Amino acid sequence: QLQLQESGPGLVKPSETLSVTCIVSGGSITNTNYYWAWIRQPPGRGLQWIGSFYFGGTTYYNPSLKSRVTISVDTSKNQFSLSLSSVTAADTAVFYCVRRARACSGDCPFDLWGRGSLVTVSS
Amino acid sequence: QSVLTQPPSVSGAPGQRVTISCTGSSSNIGAGYDVHWYQQLPGTAPKLLIYGNNNRPNNRPSGVPDRFSGSKSGTSASLAITGLQAEDEGDFHCQSFDNSLNTWVFGGGTRLTVL
Repeated sequence: QLQLQESGPGLVKPSETLSVTCIVSGGSITNTNYYWAWIRQPPGRGLQWIGSFYFGGTTYYNPSLKSRVTISVDTSKNQFSLSLSSVTAADTAVFYCVRRARACSGDCPFDLWGRGSLVTVSS
Repeated sequence: QSVLTQPPSVSGAPGQRVTISCTGSSSNIGAGYDVHWYQQLPGTAPKLLIYGNNNRPNNRPSGVPDRFSGSKSGTSASLAITGLQAEDEGDFHCQSFDNSLNTWVFGGGTRLTVL
């Protein structure tokens, strides 16, 4: 059974780059039936989609974050990573890696979530 | 400020029925995009609860009891929970797609308290 597990630094200084990795187990990240995504949740607030990709295809980013975000893939380790540059306190959040099917009758939901990784931006 | 608007909180006694609204606009729910609902129990990650499917708004993943149901009309959607149980306490989030922002969008979340 496929599982997602985030790994992050816990604490990042303002103006630096935040990096979080998602390790995929029980299935392959090269499975083109799925999108892989990052979603974040600031403490006490709602969810925000950051970006998505499928293996061999286009990577999509939230326009409000696009200038600061990069999603990369390491197929040898079956994992994907998020980099968010020039962070401020407003970027403090729990970061979730998430799966979404590519083909549904309608719009596919985010059907599998990791447990999340809290990253705090503070000096 | 979330694109989809949800009430911050709802409450009900065990056994009662509660509904949670999710209000959008013509560029998301009103444009015909499906609405999905996620349940987030305290200290855990969101979990898919109800998903829309080509304008059939009430589909449950395996293991989700039929006490949970979804509906959609115009620019709004609703989640209904019947036979409230203490274990239902947590946050509920609605989600859709917005073709003006070109992003998947969420509501701000609703905290359910079982009295």
